[in-house]
Amino acid sequence: QKEVEQNSGPLSVPEGAIASLNCTYSDRGSQSFFWYRQYSGKSPELIMSIYSNGDKEDGRFTAQLNKASQYVSLLIRDSQPSDSATYLCAVNGDSSYKLIFGSGTRLLVRP
Amino acid sequence: DAGVIQSPRHEVTEMGQEVTLRCKPISGHNSLFWYRQTMMRGLELLIYFNNNVPIDDSGMPEDRFSAKMPNASFSTLKIQPSEPRDSAVYFCASSWTNSNQPQHFGDGTRLSIL
Repeated sequence: QKEVEQNSGPLSVPEGAIASLNCTYSDRGSQSFFWYRQYSGKSPELIMSIYSNGDKEDGRFTAQLNKASQYVSLLIRDSQPSDSATYLCAVNGDSSYKLIFGSGTRLLVRP
Repeated sequence: DAGVIQSPRHEVTEMGQEVTLRCKPISGHNSLFWYRQTMMRGLELLIYFNNNVPIDDSGMPEDRFSAKMPNASFSTLKIQPSEPRDSAVYFCASSWTNSNQPQHFGDGTRLSIL
């Protein structure tokens, strides 16, 4: 059973701080990794994708991938109250169209 | 560009009734996915199609659930008969058929079975 694990939170950070969200996965063959943001009552929205080891930056967001340790993380710099949402980690296998989703981490950014 | 379009946005019906949820994927995408999301179970994949063909329906909870994709631009998820435990948000997502491609979600259908 392929699994993706996330701490459910809530992770509470003050406005302006760095929020660090983590995700581990069980399938060593996984090759594609995605972070989705889901506001309450809304659908998941893709915010980052990463495919190779290292860091990938996009604005205030940085995704980090370490395949040897089987973890992927998302850093949000200068956190804003509007970043308060649930962040879903999703992992794709090397020959599968399917995404395996974690249960999500709820982030709260305090003004 | 239009995203994934789902209808209806909300559905409230009584137990035992037939429910049909509809999805129009992003034009050109050839993979389509139906998910169900609840607080208890999170986001669950029900079924996915590739080039209109059902590839994996192992997530469909029971025979009361069925899904079709008659053409590249339309899919339905049907529940007959519906039960209160089917109450959830149902999402449709689409993507290119490639493991590197992310899935893009519709706004979902919030289903309540009384």
